[in-house]
Amino acid sequence: AQTVTQSQPEMSVQEAETVTLSCTYDTSESNYYLFWYKQPPSRQMILVIRQEAYKQQNATENRFSVNFQKAAKSFSLKISDSQLGDTAMYFCAFLEYGNKLVFGAGTILRVKS
Amino acid sequence: DAGVTQSPTHLIKTRGQQVTLRCSPKSGHDTVSWYQQALGQGPQFIFQYYEEEERQRGNFPDRFSGHQFPNYSSELNVNALLLGDSALYLCASSLIRAGAVYQETQYFGPGTRLLVL
Repeated sequence: AQTVTQSQPEMSVQEAETVTLSCTYDTSESNYYLFWYKQPPSRQMILVIRQEAYKQQNATENRFSVNFQKAAKSFSLKISDSQLGDTAMYFCAFLEYGNKLVFGAGTILRVKS
Repeated sequence: DAGVTQSPTHLIKTRGQQVTLRCSPKSGHDTVSWYQQALGQGPQFIFQYYEEEERQRGNFPDRFSGHQFPNYSSELNVNALLLGDSALYLCASSLIRAGAVYQETQYFGPGTRLLVL
């Protein structure tokens, strides 16, 4: 079974600075999808960014970008110009063949003013 | 364009009771997945419905059952509630395109917070 590991339970960053959240996964599949979701205290799970494993180019969405290292099975999220509204729990997730999402334990990110 | 909606937002039940949670998918989506999220943890997959049938199931007991209606909305039923069933229940919708190996991205609703006393 696929597993997703987020080794940083909590992180903090100053407003306007850059922070990187780590994620590693384990799979024997060659093609798959990876996601970062954000869950603020309001609890709504919001899609941040998506990466398709067959694409070598790292995905980017405005201030959010990923560093996808397929051989190392690593999928980190970089948030540039951090904003107070970025404070949330961030989940890394793997889309398993058969179409269920497998989530990591999450990283709490606190943006400080 | 309405997103994924869930009802109710909060629910309090006692042990042994039964509960039904409801989900309406995002417009244009045909697949509904349910997840259980215990406090401070990542969501765990319960099951997925497509074409009114359970397509895949996670490691949850038979007390957890579901249904999908012709309009793609879905219900999650939990019988004989246990204290450990207290959690946030998330519904996610997506679209499975004909011939595609993977479904499209899953979009989540706001969740239903269930407390079992």
